[in-house]
Amino acid sequence: DAKTTQPTSMDCAEGRAANLPCNHSTISGNEYVYWYRQIHSQGPQYIIHGLKNNETNEMASLIITEDRKSSTLILPHATLRDTAVYYCIVRPPNFGNEKLTFGTGTRLTIIP
Amino acid sequence: GAGVSQTPSNKVTEKGKYVELRCDPISGHTALYWYRQSLGQGPEFLIYFQGTGAADDSGLPNDRFFAVRPEGSVSTLKIQRTERGDSAVYLCASSSQGSGANVLTFGAGSRLTVL
Repeated sequence: DAKTTQPTSMDCAEGRAANLPCNHSTISGNEYVYWYRQIHSQGPQYIIHGLKNNETNEMASLIITEDRKSSTLILPHATLRDTAVYYCIVRPPNFGNEKLTFGTGTRLTIIP
Repeated sequence: GAGVSQTPSNKVTEKGKYVELRCDPISGHTALYWYRQSLGQGPEFLIYFQGTGAADDSGLPNDRFFAVRPEGSVSTLKIQRTERGDSAVYLCASSSQGSGANVLTFGAGSRLTVL
C-alpha cells in the first residue's frame, strides 16, 4: 500500500472549515484514498473515501488532486466534537481482505 | 447488535498471566479484524477472519498471540504469558464481505495493562 504523509497536528476555530492535507505521491492507479478519524477513547470511525473524483457526504468532502498525489479532507463547519486524530489511508480495492494500514495521523484540535 | 462490542473495556493483569479479549461484531458481518494500538500510534493490524477461518494472521507479533472465531461471529483474542510490552488498546472491527469499500466498523477497544 502507498505511504501517506500528514501533518502531526492542526488547530481550527470552531465554525470554520477544517482542511486536512495528505500527501500520497506514490499512489497507484487503482488505489483508493480513505479517511478515518478517532475521537479520544473510541475506535476509528470511517469518514469518506474516493478514487479520482471529489466526494462529499454528510460528514465531509474529499478533494483529490488531478495527479492523485495528494488530497484534502474538508470539514465544512468544524465543531468541538470534531476534535480527533484523522487518518489518511491509501490502498487498492480488495473484495476479500479489507485490512487498513494506519499511520500516526493528524491530531485536529477545534478551538472554541 | 447495533455496533461492534468489545469486552472487557479494561483489563489489568500481571506479567506472565493469560488474557482473553472478546469481540462481538455487527450481526451479519462476515469479516472480522483485530488491531492493536499503542499510546501515540495508529492502530496496527493483527489478524483478519473471513467466516470461521483466519485468512491473514501476518500481523500477530509472536506465537503468544492467538485468535479464534469458532462459529463465524464472536471472536476471542488470546494472549499467553503476557509481557509489559503487550500493554495497549486492542481494537476489533467488522465489515460486510464483498463490499470492496473497505468500510470497517470499529469497537471502542479493550485496554490491556500488564503490570
